Amino acid sequence: EVQLVESGGGLVQPGRSLRLSCAASGFTFDDYAMHWVRQAPGKGLEWVSGISWNSGSIGYADSVKGRFTISRDNAKNSLYLQMNSLRAEDTALYYCAKDIVPDIVATTAFDYWGQGTLVTVSS
Amino acid sequence: QSALTQPASVSGSPGQSITISCTGTSSDVGSYNLVSWYQQHPGKAPKLMIYEGSKRPSGVSNRFSGSKSGNTASLTISGLQAEDEADYYCCSYAGSYVVFGGGTKLTVL
Repeated sequence: EVQLVESGGGLVQPGRSLRLSCAASGFTFDDYAMHWVRQAPGKGLEWVSGISWNSGSIGYADSVKGRFTISRDNAKNSLYLQMNSLRAEDTALYYCAKDIVPDIVATTAFDYWGQGTLVTVSS
Repeated sequence: QSALTQPASVSGSPGQSITISCTGTSSDVGSYNLVSWYQQHPGKAPKLMIYEGSKRPSGVSNRFSGSKSGNTASLTISGLQAEDEADYYCCSYAGSYVVFGGGTKLTVL
């Protein structure tokens, strides 16, 4: 059974940093691209970032470019999101999502999602 | 990186069919056959319903179908059931990033 379990969310002050993790199991992690997708309270889905199977291709939404860094450790079956210079508008539930292909250069769809970890940016 | 355009809400009675549109541009929906659709019930994670425009993942009812014409993709749900009431999001690859639609709330009357 595929499982994606996010962790690392919490309440953080504006300008501070937070690192999210996603532990994957039930599939061959290094065969697939992985993504972070967020959802602000009561709002729609927003793609944040994606990383190919071998970390060779990485993409970011303009809203987080230069502040967030995605990475993965295939030996640990884990995906990460380092979030710096956090803003109030980054407040959201952050989902880890598995792609159905290995590379983000032709991302087709997200077939498995975690339950999300909530990030609240507030003073 | 502008969001794809979806109607805010649609509704239908049990047994009827509804269609949700998703309008993008020649840089996203129009350029790639890589549109996907997600169903999200309140408090739950999204669920993949359609990928690559018209393909259904294993386990998804054949009442759900997808299509595309130009810069607009569509999700059709036939034989509406009460459990179809949910939010639906379209999503497209856009070259160097991924873009979602704003979401459509489906109400089953």
